[in-house]
Amino acid sequence: SFQLTQPPSVSVSPGQTATISCSGDKLDYKYSSWYQQRPGQSPVLVIYQDMKRPSGIPERFSGSNSDNTATLTISGTQAMDEADYYCQAWDDSTGVVFGGGTKLTVL
Amino acid sequence: EVQLEESGGGLVQPGGSLRLSCAASGFTFSDHYMDWVRQAPGKGLKWVGRIRNQVDRYTTDYAAAVEGRFTISRDDSRNSVYLQMANLNAEDTAVYFCVRTDRGSYYPFWGQGTLVTVSS
Repeated sequence: SFQLTQPPSVSVSPGQTATISCSGDKLDYKYSSWYQQRPGQSPVLVIYQDMKRPSGIPERFSGSNSDNTATLTISGTQAMDEADYYCQAWDDSTGVVFGGGTKLTVL
Repeated sequence: EVQLEESGGGLVQPGGSLRLSCAASGFTFSDHYMDWVRQAPGKGLKWVGRIRNQVDRYTTDYAAAVEGRFTISRDDSRNSVYLQMANLNAEDTAVYFCVRTDRGSYYPFWGQGTLVTVSS
């Protein structure tokens, strides 16, 4: 079945750029989405259709998808960006698939 | 303002059944596919299943882990979607989220979730 693989954790210093990867077979032929989840809260969509930002999401969040890997980039990372991040895609055989999640630490 | 409000969670014994409800408002409910997503305590997000709209004949898809045990239905007249769960086991313990599905299978809106605990 289709799977998405993310690193369990990423660390970044405030003001620096954080990148979180999400790999899957032929992922670049599918649309990817990214969600931010802070502790005790529901997930929030931050990127959809690979690189689009929903209204209200800061410009420092960007996305890309090529060579079987989707990437979430957070430029000028702030302390408030510390959260779990999940990638997601649809596969015709498996359905909706989420990556295992990446804990972003801003230190 | 789009709102999704789940209800019906609680404690249920292994082998038992439970029905979750999700009341939607702030958008044309009948136009959209609706999904359920769950999250076990301290774990990641997992897709449960989907019900399509009337145009796509209300067809459903389920994750392999719940196929045959869970059933998703909807009532467009009540702007509601339901998750009927049967033969529950400890691995079904999770917060269950109702989500609106937009074209491209992404979720711009989430409810607060309802906790289902399967335990004796």
